[in-house]
Amino acid sequence: SAVISQKPSRDICQRGTSLTIQCQVDSQVTMMFWYRQQPGQSLTLIATANQGSEATYESGFVIDKFPISRPNLTFSTLTVSNMSPEDSSIYLCSVEASSYNEQFFGPGTRLTVL
Amino acid sequence: DAKTTQPNSMESNEEEPVHLPCNHSTISGTDYIHWYRQLPSQGPEYVIHGLTSNVNNRMASLAIAEDRKSSTLILHRATLRDAAVYYCILRDILTGGGNKLTFGTGTQLKVEL
Repeated sequence: SAVISQKPSRDICQRGTSLTIQCQVDSQVTMMFWYRQQPGQSLTLIATANQGSEATYESGFVIDKFPISRPNLTFSTLTVSNMSPEDSSIYLCSVEASSYNEQFFGPGTRLTVL
Repeated sequence: DAKTTQPNSMESNEEEPVHLPCNHSTISGTDYIHWYRQLPSQGPEYVIHGLTSNVNNRMASLAIAEDRKSSTLILHRATLRDAAVYYCILRDILTGGGNKLTFGTGTQLKVEL
């Protein structure tokens, strides 16, 4: 299994600002993912964070809005840029090691944009 | 991607078995059937997965129809802690190591005393 921590756990931000969310894993993993869960909704994949290269974004998500870094096999960041109230969501990091067939999720970051 | 269909909600009494259905009529031969659940205010957690045969683990059992067009997650004795949203997800075995999870709306399970 993998233990995942996220920082911050929650934040309240002003419109137009940016927030960087950190995801730390207790072991080296091959795949890291970022999801968004809007209020009362299911999870939607934002992007796959690739170590040493640019992230792979899903349809509807762009790098300018959600820049992602993955400097090594245990850490990744997601930035929510130029925030608006529509960005108010829970943002979750997940990981999958090549030897597993399951994903492990972090506790999420609850973001409120005023 | 093959899609799944689940009831929006189900109710159960504590200590009773729960059968959570999932339809996936367009499943391909290389799709694994995965189940995750999301407890309140937590990230999703893996429950179980299977390909063709029924599977058991400490959390649940997975019964897969012979034609693989449907499956059922079985909680043998529901507890209040099992109240969660349960997601049935298909993952392609050929790209399983890097394939994304596509979450549907899931089934909200309510457990009552």
